[in-house]
Amino acid sequence: DVQLVQSGADVKKPGESLKISCRTSGYPFPNYWIAWVRQLPGRGLDCMAMIYPSDYDTRYSPAFQGHVTISADRSTNSAYLHFHSLEASDTATYYCVTLVTGINYWGRGTLVTVSS
Amino acid sequence: IVLTQSPGTLSLSPGERVTLSCTASQTVSSSSVAWYQQKPGQPPRLLIYATSSRATGIPDRFSGDGSGTDFTLTISRLEPGDFAVYYCQHYGSSLWTFGQGSNVDIK
Repeated sequence: DVQLVQSGADVKKPGESLKISCRTSGYPFPNYWIAWVRQLPGRGLDCMAMIYPSDYDTRYSPAFQGHVTISADRSTNSAYLHFHSLEASDTATYYCVTLVTGINYWGRGTLVTVSS
Repeated sequence: IVLTQSPGTLSLSPGERVTLSCTASQTVSSSSVAWYQQKPGQPPRLLIYATSSRATGIPDRFSGDGSGTDFTLTISRLEPGDFAVYYCQHYGSSLWTFGQGSNVDIK
């Protein structure tokens, strides 16, 4: 079975950096796109960035380019999202999502709270 | 690609039929459109992929259709557990996008 296990909730202060993770199993990790999706409290879904682990090709939404970096580690079948300098507006739930043979699989989400 | 869902909110009773719309800003492949259901505090649940294929465990009262720029999700008879927010998605090798959501609540 395809599984995506995300890192736990975190509380940070504005200006701090953060790296959240998504460990995958049950499919050939390098061969399928994996993305990070943001959901602000009570709001919709925004695809922030995606990566193809086989060649590390990336796509970024203009809204998030420069604010985050997506990466992948083929040795641990994991994807990461690095926030360079957190803002209060980054308070949200972040989901990792992979597309395997035409079907999307989702992690349970990582709640990030940014507060001074 | 921008996805626009309609209606934004609708109030219905159990047993009613509902059709939600998703319009893309340009033609998309039918193999790249999905629908999700989301309830508070839960991740989105995949209902439909490739426009009309039901995901594992999804009852047949949920159906998807469409082509080109216009796609729909139909729930033939609403059950109490179906009151939720529904999102459409375009996916593939370009950046994935989501509609803004349609909220189906109880009248």
